[in-house]
Amino acid sequence: EVQLVESGGGLVPPGGSLRLSCAASGFTFSNYWMHWVRQVPGKGLVWVSHINSDGSSTRYADSVKGRFTISRDNAKNTLYLEMNSLRAEDAAVYYCARDVYELVLVPAALNYWGQGTLVTVSS
Amino acid sequence: NFMLTQPHSVSESPGKTVTISCTRSSGSIASTYVQWYQQRPGSSPTTVIYEDNQRASGVPDRFSGSIDSSSNSASLTISGLKTEDEADYYCQSFDSSNWVFGGGTKLSVL
Repeated sequence: EVQLVESGGGLVPPGGSLRLSCAASGFTFSNYWMHWVRQVPGKGLVWVSHINSDGSSTRYADSVKGRFTISRDNAKNTLYLEMNSLRAEDAAVYYCARDVYELVLVPAALNYWGQGTLVTVSS
Repeated sequence: NFMLTQPHSVSESPGKTVTISCTRSSGSIASTYVQWYQQRPGSSPTTVIYEDNQRASGVPDRFSGSIDSSSNSASLTISGLKTEDEADYYCQSFDSSNWVFGGGTKLSVL
């Protein structure tokens, strides 16, 4: 059974930093593109970033470019999102998600989602 | 960047059929695949349709996806509505640099 478990959310002041983790199990983690998507409670979904299977290719939404860094440790089956210079508008539930196909050159679609971790940015 | 526009809400009765639209603001709807995600209240999203019309694993065939180049839109159709289908539905697509979600449609089954 595919499982994605996010952790690392919490309360951080504006300008602060936070690292989110997503522990994956039930599939060959190193074969899949992985994604981060966020959602302000009561609002819609927003794509944040994705990373290819070996970590050599990453992409970011314009709103987080230069502040967030996505990475992965395939030996630990874990996806990360390092968030710096946090702003009030970054407050949201952050979901990690797995892509639908394995061993592909480009991402296709989100297939499995975690339960999310809440990030609150406030002084 | 383009936008995907969905109706804010739709409602229909159990057993009926409903269609949720997703209109792309620029660029062809057929140029990249469209996905649909379901999010029930208090839950994480789940994948319903990927690559325009492929049902995700475990999704019943009451759910179908399509695209219409003439209106530059995608559609999610749910037939034989059940109360458990009540949820928010999001379309999603992408271009060369960005993944984009629609604003979401709240489906009420009443």
